[in-house]
Amino acid sequence: EAQVTQNPRYLITVTGKKLTVTCSQNMNHEYMSWYRQDPGLGLRQIYYSMNVEVTDKGDVPEGYKVSRKEKRNFPLILESPSPNQTSLYFCATGTSDEETQYFGPGTRLLVL
Amino acid sequence: GESVGLHLPTLSVQEGDNSIINCAYSNSASDYFIWYKQESGKGPQFIIDIRSNMDKRQGQRVTVLLNKTVKHLSLQIAATQPGDSAVYFCAENEMNRDDKIIFGKGTRLHILP
Repeated sequence: EAQVTQNPRYLITVTGKKLTVTCSQNMNHEYMSWYRQDPGLGLRQIYYSMNVEVTDKGDVPEGYKVSRKEKRNFPLILESPSPNQTSLYFCATGTSDEETQYFGPGTRLLVL
Repeated sequence: GESVGLHLPTLSVQEGDNSIINCAYSNSASDYFIWYKQESGKGPQFIIDIRSNMDKRQGQRVTVLLNKTVKHLSLQIAATQPGDSAVYFCAENEMNRDDKIIFGKGTRLHILP
C-alpha cells in the first residue's frame, strides 16, 4: 500500500530539547516537503527536497533543519524547540513530473 | 504581493444541495491549481487539479472552474453529503518555482442535516 508515514504522531516536549520528526514514503517519490499548519494561517512550507542530498528553504525555515540522505526518508529536526513551534506538521511527497502532493497523517507537537 | 486565499472561512450547506467554494489568487504566472480536502485529524487529500490552459475540469461529483481573467478558482461539489464535511484548500503552483506550492488558508464546509 502506497503511503506516507510520520512519527511520532503526537509529541509534548520542553523548550530547548532537541527532537526529530521522521517522514518515510514507499512510493519512490523524488520530491518531499514539510509543512506546518496553524489556525488562521493555513499550510506553510518549511523545507522541501527535490531529490537525495538536495534541500531548499520554504517560507518558514527558521528553527528547523532537514536532511535527505536517502530517497524514502526526510526527517525534520528541531535543534532547540521553542513554544512558537507548537503546531501541526505535515510531510508530503510527490514525483518530479507531477505537482500533486501526497500528505502524511500529521504530527501534533506541543512545546512547553 | 503573491498570494492565494479563500473568500469565506466557513460555508454551511444543506445536505443534498450543491456547494461552491471559492478561491482567489493574485499571481498571473501561476499555471497549475489544486484543491485539497482535509478531514478532521487527517492530512490534506488531493481532490482535483486544473492547468491554466483549461477553464473547467470535472471529476466524480466535483468540478473545478478557473477564471484567469479575474484570477478566480472555484470548487463545486454536487449533491453534498455528510462525508463532504471538511476543510478545503486551494493551492497554486508557480511556473519556474521548483515545485513550490502555495496554499490558501482553507474553507470549512459544514453540512446541515
